[in-house]
Amino acid sequence: KQEVTQIPAALSVPEGENLVLNCSFTDSAIYNLQWFRQDPGKGLTSLLLIQSSQREQTSGRLNASLDKSSGRSTLYIAASQPGDSATYLCALRNYNTDKLIFGTGTRLQVFP
Amino acid sequence: DTGVSQNPRHKITKRGQNVTFRCDPISEHNRLYWYRQTLGQGPEFLTYFQNEAQLEKSRLLSDRFSAERPKGSFSTLEIQRTEQGDSAMYLCASSASGTDLYEQYFGPGTRLTVT
Repeated sequence: KQEVTQIPAALSVPEGENLVLNCSFTDSAIYNLQWFRQDPGKGLTSLLLIQSSQREQTSGRLNASLDKSSGRSTLYIAASQPGDSATYLCALRNYNTDKLIFGTGTRLQVFP
Repeated sequence: DTGVSQNPRHKITKRGQNVTFRCDPISEHNRLYWYRQTLGQGPEFLTYFQNEAQLEKSRLLSDRFSAERPKGSFSTLEIQRTEQGDSAMYLCASSASGTDLYEQYFGPGTRLTVT
């Protein structure tokens, strides 16, 4: 059974820091992996999607990497800003199913 | 607005009442998903549709829950005889098949409070 873990559960950093959020999974037979952002009480905003054949994806200050052999993905946020404060969730899709399996998220606070 | 929409955004109901939520997916998307999220947790899959066909259901979807997508467009999720444990955010997502991505786009959610 696929299990997804995110570490740390919470993170508080000063503005301007570069930071890394971690996502690990137990079954490497994944189809793709998505990183989402969730603001309090809101829905999910898709940030990046990595196909199983890819190693990384970039969008602006965000870079997501995928290492299937070690069961890990990381989300790198460069030059963090207070507006980046949110919960970040990773979710993956296995082969032969369409559902996403989510981690519990990392709650990020960036203070001025 | 061409994103996924959900109504209502908030629902407060008394235990034992029935509630129904609606989801309108992105217009060209033929796959539609329902998830449930409790406080401090990641979303958990409930069910999904391809067009009007319900293709997968989670064991979380007890017999009090029913989802429909009668014309392959919008979907409804009904909870009968609500219980306090049903209090959660109910999220809908959609995606387009026929591509390699199957990227899921989420709506704003419906927050259910059962008193």
